[in-house]
Amino acid sequence: QVPLVESGGGVVQPGGSLRLSCVGSGFTFKDSGMHWVRQAPGKGLEWVAVIWHGENKKYYADSVKGRFIISRDNSKNTLFLQMNSLRAADTAMYFCAREWEQKSNGAFDIWGQGTVVTVS
Amino acid sequence: SYVLTQPPSVSVAPGKTARITCGANDIGSKSVHWYQKKPGQAPVLVVYDDSDRPSGVPDRFSGSNSVNTATLTISRVEAGDEADYFCHIWDTDSDHQVFGGGTKLTVL
Repeated sequence: QVPLVESGGGVVQPGGSLRLSCVGSGFTFKDSGMHWVRQAPGKGLEWVAVIWHGENKKYYADSVKGRFIISRDNSKNTLFLQMNSLRAADTAMYFCAREWEQKSNGAFDIWGQGTVVTVS
Repeated sequence: SYVLTQPPSVSVAPGKTARITCGANDIGSKSVHWYQKKPGQAPVLVVYDDSDRPSGVPDRFSGSNSVNTATLTISRVEAGDEADYFCHIWDTDSDHQVFGGGTKLTVL
C-alpha cells in the first residue's frame, strides 16, 4: 500500500487551470500537516504550499500565492492543489508530502511519487 | 527570505567520506532536515532535526548543525549513494518551508 498517491497532472496551455489530488493511506491523514513541493526539470526542490490539520491554516510560496489554492477533504484522505493562471515556470513534477509533526520539527517523512505538470 | 546555500556538486571515491554543507545565517538555531533524491524517484528523508535518522536509514548517514553551517556526512560511501541531496528548514518567521539548491553527489 503506497502511503501517498498523486494524480491530476497533464499538459495545459499558459493561463489554464489544473487540479492535483493526493490520496493518503496507512496513516492518520486528518492529523497530518500536508505540503506540496515541486521540482522543475533540472532544478531543485521548491516548496509550494502547506495546509495544517485542525484550523486548516494555509501558507503559500510567493511564486504561487494568489494563483494556487491548497485544500483537503479529510473524509476522503485527500489533499488538493487547484492551480490557476498557469505559467511556463510552473512546469514541474509535483509531490505531496506529509509533515512528521509527531517526531520532528518539520521534516517531511512521507512523499508521493509525483505527478507531472507541463504548461505549454 | 531565508536562503540555504549548498555546493552544486561533491565527488568522493567509494569507501571514503562525503560531507555536504548547507549554509545560512544562524542556521544553528534551526532544525535542519536532509533528503536524498534520485532521478525518477520521490525524495527520501535521511536525517531530521539536525542529526536524527529515520528507521531504515543506514548509520553511515549522519548530520550536524552549528552556527552558520549544517553538514550531512556520509561515511563509507557506496555507489548507491549517488544522488542529489537537499537540506530543508522551516522558516518560522515567514511560516515558509525552505530548501537548499541541492548538491549532486558523484561516486567516482
